Amino acid sequence: DQQVKQNSPSLSVQEGRISILNCDYTNSMFDYFLWYKKYPAEGPTFLISISSIKDKNEDGRFTVFLNKSAKHLSLHIVPSQPGDSAVYFCAASARDNYGQNFVFGPGTRLSVLP
Amino acid sequence: EAGVTQFPSHSVIEKGQTVTLRCDPISGHDNLYWYRRVMGKEIKFLLHFVKESKQDESGMPNNRFLAERTGGTYSTLKVQPAELEDSGVYFCASSQDPWTSGYNEQFFGPGTRLTVL
Repeated sequence: DQQVKQNSPSLSVQEGRISILNCDYTNSMFDYFLWYKKYPAEGPTFLISISSIKDKNEDGRFTVFLNKSAKHLSLHIVPSQPGDSAVYFCAASARDNYGQNFVFGPGTRLSVLP
Repeated sequence: EAGVTQFPSHSVIEKGQTVTLRCDPISGHDNLYWYRRVMGKEIKFLLHFVKESKQDESGMPNNRFLAERTGGTYSTLKVQPAELEDSGVYFCASSQDPWTSGYNEQFFGPGTRLTVL
């Protein structure tokens, strides 16, 4: 059973508009969430994170919102740029004794159209 | 500073053969992780090293997979014998000690694409 879900396999957005990528999780023990971006033939690169004690974290054009009661988080990119076109993975972890092992969603392919 | 490196970038082998993947983490990172992405699906955790010790290997699919991290530096992941369903992209990631650094971010390597024919 998938603990982290990204129900939209793909999303197309016009350049300059807002991109909203959604992620849902089922494990209430998750307390740390991240978004990774992946270009073809490259490994995932870290984008932004949020801990469960917050409901919003912002970094430049990227903002992550966390709704713990709904077990839902979203990534907002504004304004979207063609270079943002990539696969975006949502990841979650539950702190254990040492280190954290991430559970990834299946990814959403974002296409930003010029 | 060099990032996480993986070798080889691609490997094509026949069913029943052996393949060894290598990962060099970022220098000073005690935590090393192996992940796998099969058929464009989600990235799945395989195992986690803290220095040379296996902290969690709950994601290893079966005993055909053997991971080592002798000396706590680079790590190898051996698949023996390889099966068709082992095809996929194998990612390695590393991170600092989150309890002292406060960072939980994992830095990923470019991956090794394994094709088993």
